[in-house]
Amino acid sequence: KAGVTQTPRYLIKTRGQQVTLSCSPISGHRSVSWYQQTPGQGLQFLFEYFSETQRNKGNFPGRFSGRQFSNSRSEMNVSTLELGDSALYLCASAVGAGHSPLMGYTFGSGTRLTVV
Amino acid sequence: GIQVEQSPPDLILQEGANSTLRCNFSDSVNNLQWFHQNPWGQLINLFYIPSGTKQNGRLSATTVATERYSLLYISSSQTTDSGVYFCAAAPGNQFYFGTGTSLTVIP
Repeated sequence: KAGVTQTPRYLIKTRGQQVTLSCSPISGHRSVSWYQQTPGQGLQFLFEYFSETQRNKGNFPGRFSGRQFSNSRSEMNVSTLELGDSALYLCASAVGAGHSPLMGYTFGSGTRLTVV
Repeated sequence: GIQVEQSPPDLILQEGANSTLRCNFSDSVNNLQWFHQNPWGQLINLFYIPSGTKQNGRLSATTVATERYSLLYISSSQTTDSGVYFCAAAPGNQFYFGTGTSLTVIP
């Protein structure tokens, strides 16, 4: 079956712009999480959605937001981009019954965002 | 949040050698996974192992939840095993990642 699909794969934006990244989970998965990976901070949790509701949010400013649609696809948005937002953004999906993922999370290939 | 520590940070092996990567976590978890990050950035799930032992080919993993650590064993390493290995632990539905072990296997 198809894996987790993230689009676009690469993106270059200028400071001050906004960006929207998309994640399509594995069919049947209802939980979608987003992570940011940078050389300095490593992998950090952004937020998690389950059945269109944000269940958990990491320690990121309000410029980072997300949503989940009824088909479980998710988008994250970053407004007023800063140079420090340059990172690999990874999305993961899980079956997600209740608060414990069943059989773990599967990650997509990521979107590499460069802010210039 | 919980602390996740991985050791060693870097490892260089001759092809064919065996290795053990360790992951310590500071609190109880309901999910622990090992990932291999490929050169394109994707995290490839190796094991979902909140407790017990699993094996998949040359790889195996053991998590001792009561002692809050997990081990990833790589036997008969190959150059294709090179890359960064991450341990991720989740007390709820949020992963906390270690800083990874960078493995280089030389022919």
